[in-house]
Amino acid sequence: KNEVEQSPQNLTAQEGEFITINCSYSVGISALHWLQQHPGGGIVSLFMLSSGKKKHGRLIATINIQEKHSSLHITASHPRDSAVYICAVSPNSGNTPLVFGKGTRLSVIA
Amino acid sequence: GAGVSQSPSNKVTEKGKDVELRCDPISGHTALYWYRQSLGQGLEFLIYFQGNSAPDKSGLPSDRFSAERTGGSVSTLTIQRTQQEDSAVYLCASSLNGWGRVTDTQYFGPGTRLTVL
Repeated sequence: KNEVEQSPQNLTAQEGEFITINCSYSVGISALHWLQQHPGGGIVSLFMLSSGKKKHGRLIATINIQEKHSSLHITASHPRDSAVYICAVSPNSGNTPLVFGKGTRLSVIA
Repeated sequence: GAGVSQSPSNKVTEKGKDVELRCDPISGHTALYWYRQSLGQGLEFLIYFQGNSAPDKSGLPSDRFSAERTGGSVSTLTIQRTQQEDSAVYLCASSLNGWGRVTDTQYFGPGTRLTVL
């Protein structure tokens, strides 16, 4: 079983829909990251969070440390949101690499 | 300011040849990371440089893979005797401080797409 599991793997939505992508992890962490990878490969860090909720524009990330679960929400989705969204965790064991989920491929159709 | 840059953007090579991939991190970032993303797979950690410390090579898949970071800045990932399974996108990232109790944001380069024929 992967240490970081994302769901769904693929998601197609109509423009304007509210979107939720989920991430569950099995290790203790110091932080969780949400990344966005556009077609063409460029990766951008969206959020890094260790508790509670963060909001940036139409994007909201939440984390529940006790349940080892995080969600990424996109409000009023737009075709330009189409990308792969990747969840990654920083394990609590000190100087260790990020552990990545396999990503959720989102397609938003106009 | 300038972001992380990588070169070449695409590399096609024949099985058995050596390749070198280059990464220029953001100026002032002490930490540099190499990752690999194979088709349909998630990101896979390869190697991590932090300042003048010995690199964390725990992710390198075989001894055909090596990397160096000269002068605490530019890094080169070398793959010797390439195999078809080495075909992937190789991504470099840098961050201000690196791993540890205080994690910080990693800034990714555009990647090098390696195809081994």
